[in-house]
This record gives sequence, C-alpha cells and structure tokens, in this order.
Amino acid sequence: AQKVTQAQTEISVVEKEDVTLDCVYETRDTTYYLFWYKQPPSGELVFLIRRNSFDEQNEISGRYSWNFQKSTSSFNFTITASQVVDSAVYFCALSEKDNYGQNFVFGPGTRLSVLP
Amino acid sequence: GAGVSQSPRYKVAKRGQDVALRCDPISGHVSLFWYQQALGQGPEFLTYFQNEAQLDKSGLPSDRFFAERPEGSVSTLKIQRTQQEDSAVYLCASSLGALGGALSWFFGPGTRLTVL
Repeated sequence: AQKVTQAQTEISVVEKEDVTLDCVYETRDTTYYLFWYKQPPSGELVFLIRRNSFDEQNEISGRYSWNFQKSTSSFNFTITASQVVDSAVYFCALSEKDNYGQNFVFGPGTRLSVLP
Repeated sequence: GAGVSQSPRYKVAKRGQDVALRCDPISGHVSLFWYQQALGQGPEFLTYFQNEAQLDKSGLPSDRFFAERPEGSVSTLKIQRTQQEDSAVYLCASSLGALGGALSWFFGPGTRLTVL
C-alpha cells in the first residue's frame, strides 16, 4: 500500500529565511509519480511540481527547489528566501502508474507560516 | 470558465438534511475526481469519473454518498441524511486525460460543508 508522510505539521519562519519541507513516501511500484501542491487560505490546491520515479534529477524553479532521493524515498521541497505569500499548507502526494485517483495519495500536509 | 469551479463554496446543514455539491470541471476534461478533506488532513479519494462513467467509487464512505456526472461534464456529489462526521471540504479535480497518474490535475476551490 502506498503512503506519504510529512512529519512536520507546522513550520514558522521569518521572511527571507530558507525552509525545507520534508516528504517521505512508500510504494511497491517501480513506476510512480510524486507531486507537491500548495493550498493557500482560499482552499484551492495549486500544482507545484510533478516528478516521475525514473527522473531523480533535482529541480529548481525560481525560489523553489526539490530534492528527490529514491534511496531514502524522500522528495523534499525547499523554499529559498521565503516570503509572506508562501504561507500556506503544502501537500506532498504520490500516484502509482496506471491506476485511478484512488492511488493518488496525499500526505497530511505541512502548514508553513512566514512571518514578516 | 478558466478553472474548475464548485458551488456552493460554503454549506451549513442540519444533521439529517440532504445536500448536493456541484462541480464544474474545465471544459473538455475527461476525468473528474471528488476528494474529501477533513480539517487538518490531506484530501482523500472519494470517486472517479471518466466522462459520464463512474469507474471507481470505492472511496465513498457510506451508501449515503452518491455522485453522478450524467452528461460527462458537470458533476454532483450528494450526501443524504448528513452526519456530523461528514463535515469537511469537498474538492473536485479535473484532468484532460483519461489515464491515472494524475498528471495534470486542476483542483477547484472546494465546498466547505459543516453539519450541525
């Protein structure tokens, strides 16, 4: 069975600090997809990134970067020089190949508060 | 519209009342999901439609929950005889493609249901 763990329930940082959100996953499949979503107070889930299990290259997008390590089943997300607008709940999610959304499993989320 | 819309955004129901939650997916999107997000938790799968066909309803928590998408576009999630444990945010997501893997999901803002 697949599972996503986000051990950090809440994180508070001061603006301009860097912050890393942890994500550890479990799956028996060799082909799977990992995601990060942002959920601001408005409630919508905003897609941030998708990685497939065969692509372990780290990725950087502006102030966001992702570290995918298959050896430790982790897909951590770092925000550099955080801003108040980054305050939200962030969800890591896992989807196994060739299945419907039942296999799109979300972690419990990490609430990030960026203080001015 | 440009994105997935849901209505109402907020619904307060008395225990035992029936409710109907609506999802308008992005035009042309084949796949549609419903998720339930309890307070402080990640979204959990309820049901999946491919066009008008409900291909997976294994996540529906009881027979009080019913979903339909009769013309393959708008979907309605109906909850009969609501209970307090039904209080949650109900999220709808749509995708252009028909396969799993949740490659390009767009989420709506959700309907926050409170059962008194």
